[in-house]
Amino acid sequence: DVKVTQSSRYLVKRTGEKVFLECVQDMDHENMFWYRQDPGLGLRLIYFSYDVKMKEKGDIPEGYSVSREKKERFSLILESASTNQTSMYLCASSSIARTGAYFGPGTRLTVT
Amino acid sequence: AQKVTQAQTEISVVEKEDVTLDCVYETRDTTYYLFWYKQPPSGELVFLIRRNSFDEQNEISGRYSWNFQKSTSSFNFTITASQVVDSAVYFCALSVAEYGNKLVFGAGTILRVKS
Repeated sequence: DVKVTQSSRYLVKRTGEKVFLECVQDMDHENMFWYRQDPGLGLRLIYFSYDVKMKEKGDIPEGYSVSREKKERFSLILESASTNQTSMYLCASSSIARTGAYFGPGTRLTVT
Repeated sequence: AQKVTQAQTEISVVEKEDVTLDCVYETRDTTYYLFWYKQPPSGELVFLIRRNSFDEQNEISGRYSWNFQKSTSSFNFTITASQVVDSAVYFCALSVAEYGNKLVFGAGTILRVKS
């Protein structure tokens, strides 16, 4: 069974704090993704990575950065959290041999 | 650019009714993949189906069926004899392999099944 885990289910941070969201997958997938989910907007891609140390911007990268030092781990960083970054964050991974992605349980981040 | 439209924001049905969730997609690529995901109240996205652009055969899996029509760029999802456990948010998504298998999602349809 593919497993994608995220470090926290719920997180509350203050405006201006640096926030780290961690994602780990155990299926040796090449691709990893960070999405943000907001009501009425579906899931929007923030960043993705197709290999270690490689990253590509998605549709809404502003205010975020990512790190992929190991194949199984993909971190999303909010350099200075703002209230408009309050959202559900979903990590996913996929293999280049097949399309489609497996998702983690999500992290609900609240920035106050 | 790729785009997925789920025009139905929310649907309410009574148990045992059939319900169809609509999905319309846009892409200029000839090779693409279409997906449906279910997101129950627990929040985790559950993969339901993947269909590639060269396979227009409809698919049935138990009470679930999918109708893929390239002529109308649609990939609709029907639940037969709905159950309360089907209550969830359903997302349609599109992937073009050339772009790293990124999934482009629709806004989602909230399905409420009442007993």
